[in-house]
Amino acid sequence: QQQVKQSPQSLIVQKGGISIINCAYENTAFDYFPWYQQFPGKGPALLIAIRPDVSEKKEGRFTISFNKSAKQFSLHIMDSQPGDSATYFCAASKAGTASKLTFGTGTRLQVTL
Amino acid sequence: SAVISQKPSRDICQRGTSLTIQCQVDSQVTMMFWYRQQPGQSLTLIATANQGSEATYESGFVIDKFPISRPNLTFSTLTVSNMSPEDSSIYLCSVEGKAVETQYFGPGTRLLVL
Repeated sequence: QQQVKQSPQSLIVQKGGISIINCAYENTAFDYFPWYQQFPGKGPALLIAIRPDVSEKKEGRFTISFNKSAKQFSLHIMDSQPGDSATYFCAASKAGTASKLTFGTGTRLQVTL
Repeated sequence: SAVISQKPSRDICQRGTSLTIQCQVDSQVTMMFWYRQQPGQSLTLIATANQGSEATYESGFVIDKFPISRPNLTFSTLTVSNMSPEDSSIYLCSVEGKAVETQYFGPGTRLLVL
């Protein structure tokens, strides 16, 4: 599977701050980029996703920024809350590959009071 | 999104034995997937399971070690065979959503092999 690089590995943000997680991919055939949120002891939950035809997608406090030329995309969590403390995974898939997802290595986010 | 359940939720097994993990979804789905997530690590796709056909395995995973069944559109099983401590992981099933390319995950099965 093609690699998706994710950073940082861990992140500590104060309540109300902005959390930013970055991902970079190599395969230009990727055309679907979801973010998953995983709480301890739970399966990953789809948070938000973007396709390369737009540069930004916002859903509530969560925004994906996408830079096709740089092959990078990022997740911004505005007004971060303690309840956002979880592990976040970026992923990518190619059209016509039965939705096979390649995951990043994960970012453990801790939002402090 | 689909509601997905897995059984068992966790198990402790002895090396050399096999464990079958069940995945049940509350609606009919074409594609089901099995992933492995080692402690504190990312998710790695084991195989894709279509109803009525043989599962497609990713590089590094073989049918003899991880046999999969997909008897209908709402159910699949993954067997971890001849287990060793290196098989200690979380095993997750996922299903393809109605929106193209979306995937929804079950809660996972936490396996410890002694």
